[in-house]
Amino acid sequence: AQSVSQHNHHVILSEAASLELGCNYSYGGTVNLFWYVQYPGQHLQLLLKYFSGDPLVKGIKGFEAEFIKSKFSFNLRKPSVQWSDTAEYFCAVTQGSWGKLQFGAGTQVVVTP
Amino acid sequence: DGGITQSPKYLFRKEGQNVTLSCEQNLNHDAMYWYRQDPGQGLRLIYYSQIVNDFQKGDIAEGYSVSREKKESFPLTVTSAQKNPTAFYLCASLGSGSSYNEQFFGPGTRLTVL
Repeated sequence: AQSVSQHNHHVILSEAASLELGCNYSYGGTVNLFWYVQYPGQHLQLLLKYFSGDPLVKGIKGFEAEFIKSKFSFNLRKPSVQWSDTAEYFCAVTQGSWGKLQFGAGTQVVVTP
Repeated sequence: DGGITQSPKYLFRKEGQNVTLSCEQNLNHDAMYWYRQDPGQGLRLIYYSQIVNDFQKGDIAEGYSVSREKKESFPLTVTSAQKNPTAFYLCASLGSGSSYNEQFFGPGTRLTVL
């Protein structure tokens, strides 16, 4: 079955540390890839997306992600986190048409001052 | 402001009762979606609708029903047949143009069955 795996369920790190969240998917063929973020008490919102072209994509708030086709991966990175990055992060992949998203289980990130 | 609204924010229901969750969007999007979010499981697709008067089952449709009589509205009914309805429910719509294939989410409804 097609699936999306996020490597860590919980991550705790200090401000200014670097962050990398892993995401792997099991789909063959062309995929559209997304990272969404859910800040405490806020709507789920898009961080960044990859459809085609440059495999290194930049999103909002200093986040970036790299698509590595050979590894079926789309890892999220931020060089230096802030306390305000505390949130839950979800990787998602389209199953096909009409944006039917398959989500990973999510990673809860806590940034300590 | 354009966006998606869901009501109510919190909902309590007794076992055996049906309950309907509201979802409205003023983004003029054709496609709309309902997801269920449980801790440690991410979001799972319940139903989706590509266009008015049409909808399809998602991965976990059992115990739920929907309607799509208007483009702006996509209500979800949680029936008494849903065995574990306590969860956070999110509605979304699908963008187009510069937001092609991007889903926009509402604030969610937290349903608790007592």
